[in-house]
Amino acid sequence: DQQVKQNSPSLSVQEGRISILNCDYTNSMFDYFLWYKKYPAEGPTFLISISSIKDKNEDGRFTVFLNKSAKHLSLHIVPSQPGDSAVYFCAASARGGSQGNLIFGKGTKLSVKP
Amino acid sequence: ETGVTQTPRHLVMGMTNKKSLKCEQHLGHNAMYWYKQSAKKPLELMFVYNFKEQTENNSVPSRFSPECPNSSHLFLHLHTLQPEDSALYLCASSQDPAGSYNEQFFGPGTRLTVL
Repeated sequence: DQQVKQNSPSLSVQEGRISILNCDYTNSMFDYFLWYKKYPAEGPTFLISISSIKDKNEDGRFTVFLNKSAKHLSLHIVPSQPGDSAVYFCAASARGGSQGNLIFGKGTKLSVKP
Repeated sequence: ETGVTQTPRHLVMGMTNKKSLKCEQHLGHNAMYWYKQSAKKPLELMFVYNFKEQTENNSVPSRFSPECPNSSHLFLHLHTLQPEDSALYLCASSQDPAGSYNEQFFGPGTRLTVL
């Protein structure tokens, strides 16, 4: 049973437009959420995170929104650039539980077309 | 060297072979992890080491044997693997996994093929 779900395996966006990647979770104990980006032949790279006490965190072109009541978070990239083309993983953890281990989604492959 | 490094980057082995994967972190972190990534599956946590002590074994078969001699080095010893063990094996580290927000830093992975 997947606790972190990324229901869209892929997303294609035009350069300059907004990319929105979605993630749903089932475990109400999760209180910290992260997004990772992965290029082929490389390990995942941390992108941005949010704790459950916030509903928004922004870092440059990247913004993560958290809707706790819906158990949903999203990553907005604006404006999208071709270099953003990668697989994006959503991850969640419950602080103090299971040693803070991360539970990952399957990932969404983003393609940004010039 | 900076960050998290893994060797080898690619490994092909037969089912009767014994091999080891190596991970080294240069971040001064106290926790290290092994993950398995199979095609079209989420990253699966295999082992967690905190201050050189194994704190989690996520029901991993005994043909995978981890070793953590110090906080900077982590090994995964492989023996009598099966073809379904072919996957990308990722190592990660974090400052402290227990009771704190847990940003993990990943290595590039070892692409393992079992024939």
